[in-house]
Amino acid sequence: ETGVTQSPTHLIKTRGQQVTLRCSSQSGHNTVSWYQQALGQGPQFIFQYYREEENGRGNFPPRFSGLQFPNYSSELNVNALELDDSALYLCASSLGTGIQYFGAGTRLSVL
Amino acid sequence: AQSVTQLGSHVSVSEGALVLLRCNYSSSVPPYLFWYVQYPNQGLQLLLKYTSAATLVKGINGFEAEFKKSETSFHLTKPSAHMSDAAEYFCAVSVISGTYKYIFGTGTRLKVLA
Repeated sequence: ETGVTQSPTHLIKTRGQQVTLRCSSQSGHNTVSWYQQALGQGPQFIFQYYREEENGRGNFPPRFSGLQFPNYSSELNVNALELDDSALYLCASSLGTGIQYFGAGTRLSVL
Repeated sequence: AQSVTQLGSHVSVSEGALVLLRCNYSSSVPPYLFWYVQYPNQGLQLLLKYTSAATLVKGINGFEAEFKKSETSFHLTKPSAHMSDAAEYFCAVSVISGTYKYIFGTGTRLKVLA
């Protein structure tokens, strides 16, 4: 157990809808990173939050947005869902540039 | 730019045989390297990490990896495979340039045959 919890575990949405995924970071960690893992692929970096500020972004469109709260938990929001957004979304927490510890993920299916 | 290549998307070994999963990296700066394991319907679990100390790194569950700068490799090995080792394995390189992020390989699915 890493102490990183994600909710929900599974989600089914239809194309065009919006979704919010949640992540509680490990105690003492101030950095949260989000990754998208498509079927059969390695995780791809979406963005990172450090002390409530976005601290870098991967090659994802603006409809992917996030938030980090004062307790360092985080949300990933995706607007105007597309079929290709179907994936496992992983959250990882760390203390600054320390090792990233991953949650079990949220599996999103877009129909 | 950093990148990771994992050779072999699927590897099958017999129970008790040597496990060898290959990872090559590209990095313009001394890298930090990681191996993670993913069991079905689960997240990523850290197996081991290389952070510029000893080149032979020992991890959990009997796994180890050797950092070879001349070969830009960080292959994962285990002397004797167990049925419970069947999973997907990911090699990753970390990048610290403003944003601290991981770049993952495409993964190797390990199958252990009885």
